[in-house]
Amino acid sequence: NAGVTQTPKFRILKIGQSMTLQCTQDMNHNYMYWYRQDPGMGLKLIYYSVGAGITDKGEVPNGYNVSRSTTEDFPLRLELAAPSQTSVYFCASSLQGADYEQYFGPGTRLTVT
Amino acid sequence: GENVEQHPSTLSVQEGDSAVIKCTYSDSASNYFPWYKQELGKGPQLIIDIRSNVGEKKDQRIAVTLNKTAKHFSLHITETQPEDSAVYFCAAFVSGSARQLTFGSGTQLTVLP
Repeated sequence: NAGVTQTPKFRILKIGQSMTLQCTQDMNHNYMYWYRQDPGMGLKLIYYSVGAGITDKGEVPNGYNVSRSTTEDFPLRLELAAPSQTSVYFCASSLQGADYEQYFGPGTRLTVT
Repeated sequence: GENVEQHPSTLSVQEGDSAVIKCTYSDSASNYFPWYKQELGKGPQLIIDIRSNVGEKKDQRIAVTLNKTAKHFSLHITETQPEDSAVYFCAAFVSGSARQLTFGSGTQLTVLP
């Protein structure tokens, strides 16, 4: 059981470039989440999904897009990267809703310059 | 929406002493309160959680207390060890339309040998 895996671990983007952060879980969890973590701050929810084909916005969705075509995968797309998107991004999953244990991936550190 | 405040932001204790981290929340409809531990370079991991129908919960050296009237909850770690050094996040979940966790800003705990 690998749990939640994320790729890449690190990435540097130039302003205006686009990229996709990959997230895969092998626990057959219905719920998946994308968070961003800025220095000295807690985690902020970007998007979440309650199952394949269903996604919804979190607290800070602007500048991001997601899709959920399978139970296992939940990629996060950054279009037209901006310096404000420099952050550490965590993907997480849970068997039931957000009021149950969430399992986090190791994170992707993204720098936009 | 929900607002979670966490104090202190940094905490240093001697090995063997106790550590207490406090969080307050704003929405009285919150009914689930997890604590996550984040070690350097890793994703957060759940260490203990409590639901609003319970006032206290213990798991070996870790305990969480909840005061619904005052809208605050605390993490207590007894007999601290160097491996307890990490960043700890509290969070609150509001049942109803939001259905997402709101995290505190984190506490960097350092256990001095």
